[in-house]
Amino acid sequence: DIQMTQSPSSLSASVGDRVTITCRASQNINSYLNWYQQKPGKAPELLIFAASSLQDGIPSRFSGSGSGTDYTLTISGLQAGDFASYYCQQTYSVPRTFGGGTKVEIK
Amino acid sequence: VQLQESGPGLVRPSETLSLTCSVSGDSLSGYWWSWIRQPAGKGLEWLGRVYVNVTTNYNPSLKSRVSMSIDTSRNQFSLRLKSVTAADTAVYFCARETGISRWFDPWGQGIVVTVSS
Repeated sequence: DIQMTQSPSSLSASVGDRVTITCRASQNINSYLNWYQQKPGKAPELLIFAASSLQDGIPSRFSGSGSGTDYTLTISGLQAGDFASYYCQQTYSVPRTFGGGTKVEIK
Repeated sequence: VQLQESGPGLVRPSETLSLTCSVSGDSLSGYWWSWIRQPAGKGLEWLGRVYVNVTTNYNPSLKSRVSMSIDTSRNQFSLRLKSVTAADTAVYFCARETGISRWFDPWGQGIVVTVSS
């Protein structure tokens, strides 16, 4: 199985801040990397697919980058509605695996 | 496209958990359909997936307890998890896997399943 290590597990930030979350795969996943946002009591929502492609309807302040084993989700200008948990996921191979999640909280 | 999970919210220990995901707005054909679960306060675990030709892939962590099926006539797919314990208590989601790079979208809203006597 491919292990996905996400960091940090939590962070505190203020509205307007730039936030970076990283995800490292235990082997090369060739950009088969997706990012999801999850709010309490809700299903995850796709933000970024294929490492850097923005899903339709997602604000451009969200961006993804990376290749090989290392990937990054950046939120440029944190908004009130962005306080949530974020998960990376690899779809390079089965079993599909997720990172442990990053909870973004209000400072 | 919308997905909706259904099934019992309470399952007794050692029994079988059975859930169904109903798909509206699209056909099941051409896609993989997955089940994912999330224990309260914890992360996401992929359980497995099923294709329209009944091909399946399962998470080895569940060993032989899990099975999935698909019913194209009802536009539904299902999850069965045998011999459940309290550790199987979670929110269960269904999702469509799509795209060249295989992402999960959309997801169902999730269903809470509690394993308790």
